[in-house]
Amino acid sequence: QKEVEQDPGPLSVPEGAIVSLNCTYSNSAFQYFMWYRQYSRKGPELLMYTYSSGNKEDGRFTAQVDKSSKYISLFIRDSQPSDSATYLCAMSAIGNYGQNFVFGPGTRLSVLP
Amino acid sequence: GAGVSQSPSNKVTEKGKDVELRCDPISGHTALYWYRQRLGQGLEFLIYFQGNSAPDKSGLPSDRFSAERTGESVSTLTIQRTQQEDSAVYLCASSLAGDFYNEQFFGPGTRLTVL
Repeated sequence: QKEVEQDPGPLSVPEGAIVSLNCTYSNSAFQYFMWYRQYSRKGPELLMYTYSSGNKEDGRFTAQVDKSSKYISLFIRDSQPSDSATYLCAMSAIGNYGQNFVFGPGTRLSVLP
Repeated sequence: GAGVSQSPSNKVTEKGKDVELRCDPISGHTALYWYRQRLGQGLEFLIYFQGNSAPDKSGLPSDRFSAERTGESVSTLTIQRTQQEDSAVYLCASSLAGDFYNEQFFGPGTRLTVL
């Protein structure tokens, strides 16, 4: 079992749809949970990060963490064509060597106008 | 302000040649990470620097891969005797370091193609 699993996609939705992206993880040591957006031929950029179980909202984006189920989600409301990108979940823990990050494989999203 | 920069942006090389990839982190960021991203895949951790020491090299796939960092600035990733399976985008990220979460900032990557 991989440390972080993510719905592979690709996912195509019409403009205005609600998008749900999900990841599961196996390592209970993870303390921080992140969602990155990566446009084609660019580096990933941080969208949101959360620490505790529950919801965190930022504009059209909501990140949800359920530590008991080891499950995280990103919801995008009123999706726009500009949201078309690959979305990567990531988890982090502070270990002996400092902060380490593990990334999911990414879900490619296309929002069609 | 300046972000993380990487050079070259693209590199095409022949199998068996050595390549050197460069990363300039954000000034003041003591932590630096290298990742590999194959086409359609997620990020594969290669190596982590804290200052100029590399406490975690666990992700380097073979002894053909090595990396070094000068102080708390530039890092170079060297791949010797390149193979076709080394073709990927190599991403560098930097962050402040500490005992709590710090955001990673990514560079645009170097796209390596081994013919």
